[in-house]
Amino acid sequence: DQQVKQNSPSLSVQEGRISILNCDYTNSMFDYFLWYKKYPAEGPTFLISISSIKDKNEDGRFTVFLNKSAKHLSLHIVPSQPGDSAVYFCAGTSGTYKYIFGTGTRLKVLA
Amino acid sequence: GAGVSQSPSNKVTEKGKDVELRCDPISGHTALYWYRQSLGQGLEFLIYFQGNSAPDKSGLPSDRFSAERTGGSVSTLTIQRTQQEDSAVYLCASSLTSLRFNEQFFGPGTRLTVL
Repeated sequence: DQQVKQNSPSLSVQEGRISILNCDYTNSMFDYFLWYKKYPAEGPTFLISISSIKDKNEDGRFTVFLNKSAKHLSLHIVPSQPGDSAVYFCAGTSGTYKYIFGTGTRLKVLA
Repeated sequence: GAGVSQSPSNKVTEKGKDVELRCDPISGHTALYWYRQSLGQGLEFLIYFQGNSAPDKSGLPSDRFSAERTGGSVSTLTIQRTQQEDSAVYLCASSLTSLRFNEQFFGPGTRLTVL
């Protein structure tokens, strides 16, 4: 049972445009969500998080939106840069250290 | 400072052999986690250590998998009698505490291939 789903395995965006990465979850007990970014041959690195009491969290070029009724979150990157090309994982947790990760979306930002 | 390190970076083994994967967490981090990423899958939680508490082994897929953490620092994940389905990237992470708001810092992973 895939509790966190990232249905788009890949996404290509032109430099300077907006990248939107989507994530759906099924576990209504999730109350904290995270996005991690992974470059090849490196471990994932934390990018941004959001608590379920919020519907938006912004950090520089990165904004995460949470729609609890739809059990959907999205990561917006504006403007996209070639260095943003990586695999992005979303994860959810229900009050514990156990993060449940999605399968990732590979973002390619074209110069 | 130094991040999480893992060794080896790559391991190729024959079916039925035992393998040991090592993780050196960030100094001072009390929580340590093992995950694996199989082809086309997300990161799958395997096991968690917090200080001297009993580990949470709920994610280990079979009794062929075990892990230990010596002295609250270095951890070793052991897979006995490896099978082809064990082929994956095994990732270790550590965090300052086990609070979910504490960022988990990941190592680069060990790519295990079982022939």
